Amino acid sequence: DTGVSQDPRHKITKRGQNVTFRCDPISEHNRLYWYRQTLGQGPEFLTYFQNEAQLEKSRLLSDRFSAERPKGSFSTLEIQRTEQGDSAMYLCASSPSRGPNEQFFGPGTRLTVL
Amino acid sequence: RKEVEQDPGPFNVPEGATVAFNCTYSNSASQSFFWYRQDCRKEPKLLMSVYSSGNEDGRFTAQLNRASQYISLLIRDSKLSDSATYLCVVNDYTDKLIFGTGTRLQVFP
Repeated sequence: DTGVSQDPRHKITKRGQNVTFRCDPISEHNRLYWYRQTLGQGPEFLTYFQNEAQLEKSRLLSDRFSAERPKGSFSTLEIQRTEQGDSAMYLCASSPSRGPNEQFFGPGTRLTVL
Repeated sequence: RKEVEQDPGPFNVPEGATVAFNCTYSNSASQSFFWYRQDCRKEPKLLMSVYSSGNEDGRFTAQLNRASQYISLLIRDSKLSDSATYLCVVNDYTDKLIFGTGTRLQVFP
């Protein structure tokens, strides 16, 4: 399968715990994005990488959230001290460095904070 | 005002019907436009890009009106498998996508 992959697919955690999600983009794609989606809403942008550089962060991304893409390949999104309001689907997408920015999404990680 | 606005629906149509979805966007600097399809509890999948000249892909036709900041999607000869949420998406001068809340379509036999 050469699409975007995400791990884990589901995560249940208790409030206050830290969680980390992984995204592996399509191999030739330089751009990688994280979005968050809650029920009944469209995905909301969180952050964006061009290779290993994090170029933009949404104000939705509080200090408890951090994302990395250390070698310009896979990316991780960590949430520290999770809160119930963090419960959502976390989606990763990638796109090639040129062209109309058609982004291809992974299956998402569904986070439930108890 | 939301940056991308869509009628949430649901649109309930019989098989074979033609259905149209509309979307408006607020940022006149928006440069790229897309329709994504999302099935329940799945990831969004790119349905088609939308070009100023309009474009067609089989039963699907997308139109863009930059002057009115309006995007449309027409589905002809609806199939049961078209039942999904259709997300209107714009891309401004940055690289992030801005999604509408989606329009839910239910096609019945």
